[in-house]
Amino acid sequence: GESVGLHLPTLSVQEGDNSIINCAYSNSASDYFIWYKQESGKGPQFIIDIRSNMDKRQGQRVTVLLNKTVKHLSLQIAATQPGDSAVYFCAEGGNNRLAFGKGNQVVVIP
Amino acid sequence: NAGVMQNPRHLVRRRGQEARLRCSPMKGHSHVYWYRQLPEEGLKFMVYLQKENIIDESGMPKERFSAEFPKEGPSILRIQQVVRGDSAAYFCASSTDRGDNSPLHFGNGTRLTVT
Repeated sequence: GESVGLHLPTLSVQEGDNSIINCAYSNSASDYFIWYKQESGKGPQFIIDIRSNMDKRQGQRVTVLLNKTVKHLSLQIAATQPGDSAVYFCAEGGNNRLAFGKGNQVVVIP
Repeated sequence: NAGVMQNPRHLVRRRGQEARLRCSPMKGHSHVYWYRQLPEEGLKFMVYLQKENIIDESGMPKERFSAEFPKEGPSILRIQQVVRGDSAAYFCASSTDRGDNSPLHFGNGTRLTVT
């Protein structure tokens, strides 16, 4: 069956540095991927998405990279700010739904 | 433009009682999803509905759980005869299209505690 997983449970990053969060997926048929951010007590908030016909997409301070060969997804956050402290989830689309990974805690050190 | 609205935010039930969770999707969204989240876990798919139809309920437990999305009014997730293992955060999400093809917009969840 499909599975989505994150490599590191917690990432501590100095304010102003760049952050990279990695995610592996196993369903090679997936063609849609999303990154969400979840702050304590809130629902997941959409950050950026990418379709399988692309390998890179940029947003405001964020970049998503997709490597279909090794089934790897990453989220890069530029100039990390205290407000970026949260849990980040990758999700892959398939079978009418999104399947989520376990999440990766990002802690920004002022 | 209001986002996805869920209520109540917190719900406490004793074992054996019923829990009813409500979700109003974003305006113009006809696709509704329910997910469950345990502490320090990702979100697990439960059910996908469109107006008056259950499209996919493969993530729902076979017993005690049901969901609806009527023509008028919010989507309801209903849990009968709750047990302690039902304690979790339940998130509703909506979208303009199928959730594997467009972003899901999530509410802030209902945190169910079964005592």
